[in-house]
Amino acid sequence: EVQLLESGGGLVQPGGSLRLSCAASGFTFSNYAMTWVRQAPGKGLEWVSSISGSDDSTYYADSVKGRFTISRDNSKNTLYLQMNSLRAEDTAVYYCAKSGSPRPYSFDYWGQGTLVTVSS
Amino acid sequence: SYELSQPPSVSVSPGQTASITCSGNKLGNKYVCWYQQKPGQSPVLVIYQDNKRPSGIPERFSGSNSGNTATLTISGTQAMDEADYYCQAWDSSTVVFGGGTKLTVL
Repeated sequence: EVQLLESGGGLVQPGGSLRLSCAASGFTFSNYAMTWVRQAPGKGLEWVSSISGSDDSTYYADSVKGRFTISRDNSKNTLYLQMNSLRAEDTAVYYCAKSGSPRPYSFDYWGQGTLVTVSS
Repeated sequence: SYELSQPPSVSVSPGQTASITCSGNKLGNKYVCWYQQKPGQSPVLVIYQDNKRPSGIPERFSGSNSGNTATLTISGTQAMDEADYYCQAWDSSTVVFGGGTKLTVL
């Protein structure tokens, strides 16, 4: 059974940093692209970043480029999102999602999400 | 940047057919997928590659994509189908989501 368990969310001040983790199990982690998607309170889904499952290519939304860094540790079956220079508008539930292929074309499994609140 | 447009809301009577559209420039040239999200829950993939259903998704969910419009169709809509639905595509190394459509079954 595929499981994705996010952690690392919490309250952080504007300008601060946070690292999210997503522990994966139930599939061959290294073979698949992984993605972070966020959802601000009462809003729609917003893609944040993806990392491929073949060559570790990374992709970022313009809204986070230069501030966030996605990475993966295939030996630990874990996906990360390092978030720096956080802003109030980064407040959201952050979901980890697995793709059905080495490229992040669609997402067949999602975690339960972790809440990030950026506020002073 | 590429954009996907969805109607904010769609209403349907139980047992009837619901259609939710997703529009984008030359969208028919891309693969589209659809997600269902119920309140307080994580999204669930219901359609991928325009018209394929993941295992466990009821047959009443179907999809199509042509020209500038992709459509999610729910036949014989049930009360349990009431949810937000999002379309999504991949364009120029970017994941794009539509704004979401709230499906009300009444």
